[in-house]
Amino acid sequence: DQQVKQNSPSLSVQEGRISILNCDYTNSMFDYFLWYKKYPAEGPTFLISISSIKDKNEDGRFTVFLNKSAKHLSLHIVPSQPGDSAVYFCASLILTGGGNKLTFGTGTQLKVEL
Amino acid sequence: DTEVTQTPKHLVMGMTNKKSLKCEQHMGHRAMYWYKQKAKKPPELMFVYSYEKLSINESVPSRFSPECPNSSLLNLHLHALQPEDSALYLCASSRITGGSYAGANVLTFGAGSRLTVL
Repeated sequence: DQQVKQNSPSLSVQEGRISILNCDYTNSMFDYFLWYKKYPAEGPTFLISISSIKDKNEDGRFTVFLNKSAKHLSLHIVPSQPGDSAVYFCASLILTGGGNKLTFGTGTQLKVEL
Repeated sequence: DTEVTQTPKHLVMGMTNKKSLKCEQHMGHRAMYWYKQKAKKPPELMFVYSYEKLSINESVPSRFSPECPNSSLLNLHLHALQPEDSALYLCASSRITGGSYAGANVLTFGAGSRLTVL
């Protein structure tokens, strides 16, 4: 079974600087890794994904890096904005043919300060 | 329409009550999901429906009974719940299999139903 860990439960960054959120996983059997953002009392919102065959994907201010040998991925947000303050989850995605199995990491609370 | 709509937003029920949570999407997705999220924990998968058939049950107690009456609707029937079942229940939908572009297979989540069992 896949285990996904985010070892930093919280991160505080100044506005305009880079936020780096990290994620480690145990099982190399996945098709994608996804990052979701979650505000209180709302559902998770998809941010960016990376395929298992890639090592980098970029979308605007968000870049995700995948290091398969280290079983590690990271999300970079540049520049960080106060509206980025939320809980960020990385999640492994396996395409089963009968629905997609998404396993969430433990989450990191990001706070972007003025 | 790119939304997943969940009702009710809040539900309070006693341990002997029977209630249902409802979820609706009109994105043409043929996979629908129930997740449970406790405070300060990640969402945990409960059930997956694929083409209106139950494809994954993550060993969920029988007091939770899912139903997928058609491709747009997903219900979660609740009966004889315990106080520890109090949580945010999230519904999601996705394509069954997608293309090769990034984000093709993502799950789109609803805002959740906050359940309190007294």
